[in-house]
Amino acid sequence: KAGVTQTPRYLIKTRGQQVTLSCSPISGHRSVSWYQQTPGQGLQFLFEYFSETQRNKGNFPGRFSGRQFSNSRSEMNVSTLELGDSALYLCASSWGRQGNYGYTFGSGTRLTVV
Amino acid sequence: AQSVTQLGSHVSVSEGALVLLRCNYSSSVPPYLFWYVQYPNQGLQLLLKYTTGATLVKGINGFEAEFKKSETSFHLTKPSAHMSDAAEYFCAVSDLANTGNQFYFGTGTSLTVIP
Repeated sequence: KAGVTQTPRYLIKTRGQQVTLSCSPISGHRSVSWYQQTPGQGLQFLFEYFSETQRNKGNFPGRFSGRQFSNSRSEMNVSTLELGDSALYLCASSWGRQGNYGYTFGSGTRLTVV
Repeated sequence: AQSVTQLGSHVSVSEGALVLLRCNYSSSVPPYLFWYVQYPNQGLQLLLKYTTGATLVKGINGFEAEFKKSETSFHLTKPSAHMSDAAEYFCAVSDLANTGNQFYFGTGTSLTVIP
């Protein structure tokens, strides 16, 4: 059974540009969540999608957005990149939304903003 | 609001010694509790979880954790450390009533195993 796949693994962007990250969840998983991981702030919740609808959103500016497609694949977009957006972005999928299934995480996309 | 506190950002143990990583949580309702492990340049891997039922939970790689409601704790233990256990460990909490599928993670504990 394939795991959660995130592409690309590494990305270098210039300040002011925008970026799109992709996540393919485990087959059958309908909930996809995104987290930002930095040394200073740790793991911070960005948003969760279920059945193509954003169900929950963390405390991030509007420059961070996402979407989910009918096949549960998800993308997140960051516009007008800032140096502080440099982080490991982790996608996680779960079978349901009951909070008790636990996440399966991808290996992440390492974004560096220069 | 939910929160997780992991005492000790860095823990060092000798190979073969007991591993104890501490996690305390705050939640207004019975929580779901998780431990994840992260190896360098990788995502997080689920070690174990507590949802309902038995308070002593066994996970992968010989790890276990005990949910103690009176102490609001969910400490992770392993009787004998192995070199391959060196990694970053994260405790997480979620609860359906307040946050649905959103997890709150602790700041992590980096485990070093000394040969």
